[in-house]
Amino acid sequence: SAVISQKPSRDICQRGTSLTIQCQVDSQVTMMFWYRQQPGQSLTLIATANQGSEATYESGFVIDKFPISRPNLTFSTLTVSNMSPEDSSIYLCSVRLLDRGSTDTQYFGPGTRLTVL
Amino acid sequence: RKEVEQDPGPFNVPEGATVAFNCTYSNSASQSFFWYRQDCRKEPKLLMSVYSSGNEDGRFTAQLNRASQYISLLIRDSKLSDSATYLCVVANDYKLSFGAGTTVTVRA
Repeated sequence: SAVISQKPSRDICQRGTSLTIQCQVDSQVTMMFWYRQQPGQSLTLIATANQGSEATYESGFVIDKFPISRPNLTFSTLTVSNMSPEDSSIYLCSVRLLDRGSTDTQYFGPGTRLTVL
Repeated sequence: RKEVEQDPGPFNVPEGATVAFNCTYSNSASQSFFWYRQDCRKEPKLLMSVYSSGNEDGRFTAQLNRASQYISLLIRDSKLSDSATYLCVVANDYKLSFGAGTTVTVRA
């Protein structure tokens, strides 16, 4: 299994500012993912972050709004730029690992609860 | 149409009862299927993978019907600790698509 930590766990921010969320994993992983979960809704994939290459963004998400860094195999950051109240959400970091028995399992960090005023 | 659709519930059941719910998915090429559990204000955690032949893990039974593109989860002998939101997850390669979740509340 993987132990994933995120910082900050929560924040309240002013409109127009930016917040960088950090994700640290206790093992080396090739693929890291950033998700958003808005209140009462399902998780939505923002982007896939591979070490050594640019992140791949899903439809509706762009690099200027959600720049991602992936400097090594255990760490990634997601920045929410020029925030508006619509960005209020939980942001989750996730990794995919091959468990014992060769089962691909996706693990999630505890999430960062963001409120934009 | 959403990629994964679930009955949001809530399902309110007494302890010891059996509760079952389904989800449907739209992409017939989907390869892997999972049920995740999400407690209030917590991250999703894998409950079980779903295999074509159906599989059991203790009190939990998952079924997959590829022809009709639905997945089911059955919980027997419900415990208070089973109260949570259950997320249906469908994978296509490395990309996961999540349902909005089915809320189950088990009462004493």
